Amino acid sequence: KQEVTQIPAALSVPEGENLVLNCSFTDSAIYNLQWFRQDPGKGLTSLLLIQSSQREQTSGRLNASLDKSSGRSTLYIAASQPGDSATYLCAVQGTTDSWGKLQFGAGTQVVVTP
Amino acid sequence: GAGVSQTPSNKVTEKGKYVELRCDPISGHTALYWYRQSLGQGPEFLIYFQGTGAADDSGLPNDRFFAVRPEGSVSTLKIQRTERGDSAVYLCASSASPGDTQYFGPGTRLTVL
Repeated sequence: KQEVTQIPAALSVPEGENLVLNCSFTDSAIYNLQWFRQDPGKGLTSLLLIQSSQREQTSGRLNASLDKSSGRSTLYIAASQPGDSATYLCAVQGTTDSWGKLQFGAGTQVVVTP
Repeated sequence: GAGVSQTPSNKVTEKGKYVELRCDPISGHTALYWYRQSLGQGPEFLIYFQGTGAADDSGLPNDRFFAVRPEGSVSTLKIQRTERGDSAVYLCASSASPGDTQYFGPGTRLTVL
């Protein structure tokens, strides 16, 4: 059974510092991995999707890496801003009988202080 | 274009009552998903549709939960004989096809008193 873990559960950094968010998963047989952002009381906003064959994806200040064999993904956010304050969730999509559905971690709550 | 929409945004009901939650996916998306999120947790998969049929309903917790998507677009999640433990945020997502990026709606917060 796939388990997805995000450590730390919470993180506070001063504005301008780079953010490093970690995600680990127990079953390396994944189809893709997706990073989301969730603001309080809101739905999820997709940030990046990495296919299992890819090593990384980039979008603006965001960069996500994937090491499937070791079951790890890292989301880097460069030069953090107060507007980056949110909860960040990673989710994996499996293959075969896990096809279609996402398995989520519990998230990392980020606060960027001015 | 319009994103995924969900109605109502909030629903308060009494224990034992029946509720329906609606999801309107992005136009043209064939795959639709329902998740449930409790406070401090990541979303938990409930069911997903490919077109009109439920491709995987393994996440539905028991037979009080049922979902339909009769015309391959709008979906309704139905909960019978609600219990206090059903209180959560119910999220809907859609994707162009299974395996593609999932786009989420704002959710319906269900409170069972």
